[in-house]
Amino acid sequence: GDQVEQSPSALSLHEGTDSALRCNFTTTMRSVQWFRQNSRGSLISLFYLASGTKENGRLKSAFDSKERRYSTLHIRDAQLEDSGTYFCAAEGGSNAKLTFGKGTKLSVKS
Amino acid sequence: DMKVTQMPRYLIKRMGENVLLECGQDMSHETMYWYRQDPGLGLQLIYISYDVDSNSEGDIPKGYRVSRKKREHFSLILDSAKTNQTSVYFCASSPGLGGAETLYFGSGTRLTVL
Repeated sequence: GDQVEQSPSALSLHEGTDSALRCNFTTTMRSVQWFRQNSRGSLISLFYLASGTKENGRLKSAFDSKERRYSTLHIRDAQLEDSGTYFCAAEGGSNAKLTFGKGTKLSVKS
Repeated sequence: DMKVTQMPRYLIKRMGENVLLECGQDMSHETMYWYRQDPGLGLQLIYISYDVDSNSEGDIPKGYRVSRKKREHFSLILDSAKTNQTSVYFCASSPGLGGAETLYFGSGTRLTVL
């Protein structure tokens, strides 16, 4: 089965609302990264976490430091420009090989 | 300006032709990657390179080979392209340092094999 499972697969939000995306791992992971892919296909790194939480503006990500088997991405006060597909990717060992989830397609509407 | 550059952006080839996708980065990153992205499948790792001439297979290496003769360049080669290799190919780099750090992606190459 897939090592990295993202949920939900698609999400529709109204502007100004909050939501959370989740990434579950079938095994313990060393680190996790979150990316957003825009409509042109460009992939932008949002967060890299080896543990704990990180925050950047309206985005906040957490990586479960105990069992290291899930991560979340919180979006606060969603804006139209947050629309896109969000991917998480996790590294199992120290070989730098990242496994990606299948993504969450987020649509923010006015 | 930190950048990963992929060439070309779009490419159309016929089945059986050879394909060369090029990737460059200006950040002196040790680690470079080639992924392909297909609808509903996310990104799948084809090859990873830890430095010059230090390459390792990813999850789907069959039908591909890579070349890294300089740290800043990483090429993906398809010898005798197949129609199921139609995809969007992404190159990425990271500082490395013994594990994956933040990945920087190129803009992608959309390859169509007819």
